[in-house]
Amino acid sequence: KQEVTQIPAALSVPEGENLVLNCSFTDSAIYNLQWFRQDPGKGLTSLLLIQSSQREQTSGRLNASLDKSSGRSTLYIAASQPGDSATYLCAGGKAAGNKLTFGGGTRVLVKP
Amino acid sequence: DGGITQSPKYLFRKEGQNVTLSCEQNLNHDAMYWYRQDPGQGLRLIYYSQIVNDFQKGDIAEGYSVSREKKESFPLTVTSAQKNPTAFYLCASSTKGARAKNIQYFGAGTRLSVL
Repeated sequence: KQEVTQIPAALSVPEGENLVLNCSFTDSAIYNLQWFRQDPGKGLTSLLLIQSSQREQTSGRLNASLDKSSGRSTLYIAASQPGDSATYLCAGGKAAGNKLTFGGGTRVLVKP
Repeated sequence: DGGITQSPKYLFRKEGQNVTLSCEQNLNHDAMYWYRQDPGQGLRLIYYSQIVNDFQKGDIAEGYSVSREKKESFPLTVTSAQKNPTAFYLCASSTKGARAKNIQYFGAGTRLSVL
């Protein structure tokens, strides 16, 4: 059974610093790895999806990497801004049913 | 606007009462999902459906029921058998198929509390 872990649970950085968010998973037979952003009391917004055959995906200031052999994915956010403050969740996907297993999330605060 | 609509935004349940959460999508997605989120935690899968008139249990289906009579709609009923229903409920949908990216798109959620 897939287990997904995100450490730390919370992170605080000054504005302008690069953010590094970690995600680890136990089953390397992962179909894809998805990163989401969640604002307080809101739904999830998909940020990046990495297919199992890919090593990384980039979108603007965001870059996500995937290393199946070590069971890790990392989300990098360059030059953080106060608007980046949110909870970031990663989820490992299975091909069958497109089921996602979520980590507990990392709550990020970017201080002006 | 295309998207997923969940209603109501807030819902209160009395002891022994069944309540139904609505989820509607106009993205023409085949697959739909219901998740539960407890404070400070990730999401756990309750039920999912890959096609109309078919659905499967997720990891925490006990005390919940669903139906999928239309492609656009996937309502979730929280029954009286669910003894700890207070949580934030999220509905999602995705395309499926060999070429689909399988990105899941989420609604804004329904917060359920027990009176």
